[in-house]
Amino acid sequence: QKEVEQDPGPLSVPEGAIVSLNCTYSNSAFQYFMWYRQYSRKGPELLMYTYSSGNKEDGRFTAQVDKSSKYISLFIRDSQPSDSATYLCAFLGFQKLVFGTGTRLLVSP
Amino acid sequence: NAGVMQNPRHLVRRRGQEARLRCSPMKGHSHVYWYRQLPEEGLKFMVYLQKENIIDESGMPKERFSAEFPKEGPSILRIQQVVRGDSAAYFCASSTPEVNYGYTFGSGTRLTVV
Repeated sequence: QKEVEQDPGPLSVPEGAIVSLNCTYSNSAFQYFMWYRQYSRKGPELLMYTYSSGNKEDGRFTAQVDKSSKYISLFIRDSQPSDSATYLCAFLGFQKLVFGTGTRLLVSP
Repeated sequence: NAGVMQNPRHLVRRRGQEARLRCSPMKGHSHVYWYRQLPEEGLKFMVYLQKENIIDESGMPKERFSAEFPKEGPSILRIQQVVRGDSAAYFCASSTPEVNYGYTFGSGTRLTVV
């Protein structure tokens, strides 16, 4: 079983749609949970981080963590064409981040 | 604050040559990480360094790859005798000791081996 599972997509949605991105993980030692966004040919940029089960909201983005199910989600409301990118979940364990393979999101105008 | 600076942005090497990738962390960051990203794959951890110390190199290939973070100057990822399979994007990231706030990544070096 892979340590982190993430659907690679691509996920295509129209502008204004609600987007749901998900990851599952198997390592109970992971303590912090993050989402990064990566535009083509750029470095990843941190979107959100959290350490507890529950929801965390920042503008149009909501991160959700369910530790009991080892499942995390990122929701994007009112999606925009500028949200088109690859979204990577990341998990902190033993001082280093473990990344999912990324989900490619395409938001069409 | 210039962020994490990586250079060069693009590097072309012939098989058998050496590649040197440089990374200057963000101001105030003392931890440096190197990741490799192959096409259509996620970021794979290579090595974690602090000044003059390699903390975790569990992701580094056993041969041809080395990394350092000297007391003065940038961190260097060195690949000797490059092969076509080394072609990838190499990203450097830095953090404060409170790494739970995540890393800041550079824009990467794209290595092409011809």
